[in-house]
Amino acid sequence: DTAVSQTPKYLVTQMGNDKSIKCEQNLGHDTMYWYKQDSKKFLKIMFSYNNKELIINETVPNRFSPKSPDKAHLNLHINSLELGDSAVYFCASSQGTGFSGNTIYFGEGSWLTVV
Amino acid sequence: GDSVTQMEGPVTLSEEAFLTINCTYTATGYPSLFWYVQYPGEGLQLLLKATKADDKGSNKGFEATYRKETTSFHLEKGSVQVSDSAVYFCALSNNAGNMLTFGGGTRLMVKP
Repeated sequence: DTAVSQTPKYLVTQMGNDKSIKCEQNLGHDTMYWYKQDSKKFLKIMFSYNNKELIINETVPNRFSPKSPDKAHLNLHINSLELGDSAVYFCASSQGTGFSGNTIYFGEGSWLTVV
Repeated sequence: GDSVTQMEGPVTLSEEAFLTINCTYTATGYPSLFWYVQYPGEGLQLLLKATKADDKGSNKGFEATYRKETTSFHLEKGSVQVSDSAVYFCALSNNAGNMLTFGGGTRLMVKP
């Protein structure tokens, strides 16, 4: 069973379009994240939700809007896509936020290419 | 703010060679430290972690020791295999929000 699953795995779309990436975790975790990996492999957090509540919102354009319908799901919607949004987007989850040593589990990534 | 610095790659080794990938960090307080691995075309997998000073994390023949005095968490393996070829990321978590701060990644290439 896949612990953190995200769809689609690959997405090619034109500039200006709106797209969504969905994420689900079956680990019973209450914290979920979106990370972005750029073309140089650099990873940076975008958002974090705990029990459906936004707790981390790094400097991300407001064209990016996360939505957490329940604690097992965290979707990422991107409006008006730009070339610079091309990246790999990773969903992740962990149990709780009270201990910095909690392991964060990552999905397989969604490769977004904007043309 | 917190930061992680790791050696730039690529690191190219022959099979059965000894591996060291250096990682140093800057953080306030007492962070937890992690190594993640990303195989080609795949997501990130936790390789090992250490949550306090002098702890040693180990997995699949890899190990790293949390050195507070040198703010380091170097990854080592005694004998690498071709299947170890991947990108390795050092990371720290330093708050209750569990946000990971990553290093830039080090690509390892192991040749037969």
